Amino acid sequence: AQTVTQSQPEMSVQEAETVTLSCTYDTSENNYYLFWYKQPPSRQMILVIRQEAYKQQNATENRFSVNFQKAAKSFSLKISDSQLGDTAMYFCAFMKYSGNTGKLIFGQGTTLQVKP
Amino acid sequence: DTAVSQTPKYLVTQMGNDKSIKCEQNLGHDTMYWYKQDSKKFLKIMFSYNNKELIINETVPNRFSPKSPDKAHLNLHINSLELGDSAVYFCASSQMVGSGNTIYFGEGSWLTVV
Repeated sequence: AQTVTQSQPEMSVQEAETVTLSCTYDTSENNYYLFWYKQPPSRQMILVIRQEAYKQQNATENRFSVNFQKAAKSFSLKISDSQLGDTAMYFCAFMKYSGNTGKLIFGQGTTLQVKP
Repeated sequence: DTAVSQTPKYLVTQMGNDKSIKCEQNLGHDTMYWYKQDSKKFLKIMFSYNNKELIINETVPNRFSPKSPDKAHLNLHINSLELGDSAVYFCASSQMVGSGNTIYFGEGSWLTVV
């Protein structure tokens, strides 16, 4: 069975600075997908970024980028030039590739506070 | 227009009651899901439907019954509500299950059982 672990329950960062959120996962699969979702106080789940395990290049989306280390089973999220609107809970998630049923397995979440 | 919409957004009800949450998506997706977020913010899948066919049932009590009248709608009916059912229930959808396509979530339905 796959598991996803986010070891930082809470983090804070000053506005305009950079912060990295950690995520590790455990799987015996070789191909899979990884995601970061953001949940602001409104509770809406918003996709931040996704990574296919077969791609060596790290995904980037504007100020958001990932450091995907397949051998280490690590998938960290870096937020550059942090903004007040980045304050939210961030969830790392795993999805199988083979026999994919669309099931997302989530980590426990990291609450990020961006301070002015 | 909201891509994945759920109603009601908030629901307070007494133990033992039966309630339903409705979900509709206008993205043209063929797969829909129900996820549950508990009081500790932990998210877990409950059900998944692909073209109106149930493909995931994650050992959810049979008091929970999903129904998909068509591929744009997935409703969740809960019988004999218990205190432990209090949670936020998220509906979601995606295209072509098995392709790793992005799953889009609704805004959640906050259920409180008293």
